[in-house]
Amino acid sequence: DGGITQSPKYLFRKEGQNVTLSCEQNLNHDAMYWYRQDPGQGLRLIYYSQIVNDFQKGDIAEGYSVSREKKESFPLTVTSAQKNPTAFYLCASSIPSSGANVLTFGAGSRLTVL
Amino acid sequence: GQNIDQPTEMTATEGAIVQINCTYQTSGFNGLFWYQQHAGEAPTFLSYNVLDGLEEKGRFSSFLSRSKGYSYLLLKELQMKDSASYLCAVRDVDNTDKLIFGTGTRLQVFP
Repeated sequence: DGGITQSPKYLFRKEGQNVTLSCEQNLNHDAMYWYRQDPGQGLRLIYYSQIVNDFQKGDIAEGYSVSREKKESFPLTVTSAQKNPTAFYLCASSIPSSGANVLTFGAGSRLTVL
Repeated sequence: GQNIDQPTEMTATEGAIVQINCTYQTSGFNGLFWYQQHAGEAPTFLSYNVLDGLEEKGRFSSFLSRSKGYSYLLLKELQMKDSASYLCAVRDVDNTDKLIFGTGTRLQVFP
């Protein structure tokens, strides 16, 4: 079955540590996205990529970094510069700009900073 | 600025009908989406509207009025499994599928 796999599902980090969240898709989608979800707030866009080797900042990119070396993979690194990293992180993918085209989401990664 | 408003919480009874409203003020508009999200899980697609009017899909319907910046999701014959958050999202007009999300409406269905 095609889908998006995020790992790990739960992750604990000490302050000052970088951590990388994995996102892999086998849907052959060109575009991939990272959103952050906090209680009482909507999903906020961190980074997105429409094609391999290219990515753009979203609304809250500070303290995060990404890479897009392969079509299937879009890892997100939460750096020590991110002041409030505890959140639920969602990866998504789509075939860009195609009418009722729909974002497909992964199951999410919950990051807790101790 | 970009602003999407939804009620924070709603409650309803099993078998009833509930309407979840969404109003938006965005710099551009290229479609409105509704997603369902159970606690701790991924959002799943429910409906898409780009033209004014009602789209029906089984127990769920979604309505859009672009002139009013308004949409609603209508859930009929509520079931306990419909207890979830419902996210309204607007797609930007640029050549991407970036979505701007509202805060979501948490619906609790009681027996």
